[in-house]
Amino acid sequence: EVQLVESGGGLVQPGGSLRLSCAASGFTFSSYYMSWVRQAPGKGLEWVANMNQDGSEKYYVDSVKGRFTISRDNAKNSLYLQMNSLRAEDTAVYYCARDGAKTTVTTRWGQGTLVTVSS
Amino acid sequence: EIVLTQSPGTLSLSPGERATLSCRASQSVSSSYLAWHQQKPGQAPRLLIYTASSRATGIPDRFSGSGSGTDFTLTISRLEPEDFAVYYCQQYGSSPITFGQGTRLEIK
Repeated sequence: EVQLVESGGGLVQPGGSLRLSCAASGFTFSSYYMSWVRQAPGKGLEWVANMNQDGSEKYYVDSVKGRFTISRDNAKNSLYLQMNSLRAEDTAVYYCARDGAKTTVTTRWGQGTLVTVSS
Repeated sequence: EIVLTQSPGTLSLSPGERATLSCRASQSVSSSYLAWHQQKPGQAPRLLIYTASSRATGIPDRFSGSGSGTDFTLTISRLEPEDFAVYYCQQYGSSPITFGQGTRLEIK
């Protein structure tokens, strides 16, 4: 069974940093694109970043470029999101998502971890 | 960036009725790389349809997708009580990947 378990969320002050982790199991992690998608309270879904299987290609939404970094460790079946210079508007539930093997369609979702940016 | 506009914002129907949800793109979606996701309150989304018309694993055949270019539709042939949720379209044909704002399907 495919499982994606996020951790690392919490309360952080504006300008602070946080690192999210996603532990994957039930599939060959190294064979899939992986993404982070977020959802602000009461709002819709917003794609944040994705990367290909070997990490050679990474893409970000404009609002997080230069502040967030997506990475993965295929040996540990893990995906990460380093978030720096956090702003109030980054407050959201962050979902780890498995995409396709050949395309970036979001095929499976984790349960999400809440990040709150507030003083 | 491709902007996806979903309509209607809210759809009120009864169990057993047919639901038709629309997703319109600001420019053509490459290779019909358009997906639909369902989200229930307090839950993560779930993939229903990919490549505009292919059902994901385990999705009942009352869910169907159609369309190409800039106009796409999700149809639920006969609504079950568990189908009342929020539905999002997603395009993954070009970067950045974008989602529509969602259609809320509520019980009438």
